[in-house]
Amino acid sequence: NAGVTQTPKFRILKIGQSMTLQCTQDMNHNYMYWYRQDPGMGLKLIYYSVGAGITDKGEVPNGYNVSRSTTEDFPLRLELAAPSQTSVYFCASSYTRSPYEQYFGPGTRLTVT
Amino acid sequence: ILNVEQSPQSLHVQEGDSTNFTCSFPSSNFYALHWYRWETAKSPEALFVMTLNGDEKKKGRISATLNTKEGYSYLYIKGSQPEDSATYLCAFYYGNNRLAFGKGNQVVVIP
Repeated sequence: NAGVTQTPKFRILKIGQSMTLQCTQDMNHNYMYWYRQDPGMGLKLIYYSVGAGITDKGEVPNGYNVSRSTTEDFPLRLELAAPSQTSVYFCASSYTRSPYEQYFGPGTRLTVT
Repeated sequence: ILNVEQSPQSLHVQEGDSTNFTCSFPSSNFYALHWYRWETAKSPEALFVMTLNGDEKKKGRISATLNTKEGYSYLYIKGSQPEDSATYLCAFYYGNNRLAFGKGNQVVVIP
């Protein structure tokens, strides 16, 4: 199993550009999540999904969009990149039953200048 | 916004010494507390998921305890080794499989 994979690993965007961060898991997990990690802060939940076709906002959803057309994929879209979106983005997935531990991807480091 | 506090934020430990640190979380509506280990340049990996008051979990030289009534958990590292250097994340489960993370305890083990 590859687990949770994310692409790209690094990206530099100009202000106003758009991009999609890709996330795929091969563990047949129903639950998937997007977090951002800023220096000195804990992981903040952006969006999450409880299954294909179902998504919901987390703590910091502004400026982002998601979709979940399949169980495996959960892409995160930035429409108009802003410097405040410079961060490290982690995708994660989990089973729907206890103990619900989350499995994380390797992260995408995004810089918006 | 749920308040999950971890202290101390960072600590340096001499190789062979034991250490511990704290995670504080809301004591009401408790369901589960997670601990993750996050090594530099890697992704966080689950260490423990704790659900019962008084729970104690152990993995090698790392162990954790849980007090849900007063809202805290301790993580212990016995006989620290350089490979224990990492950031340890505590996360409070608050429904629909969502976690609220603390800022982490960064541990540096000095050889």
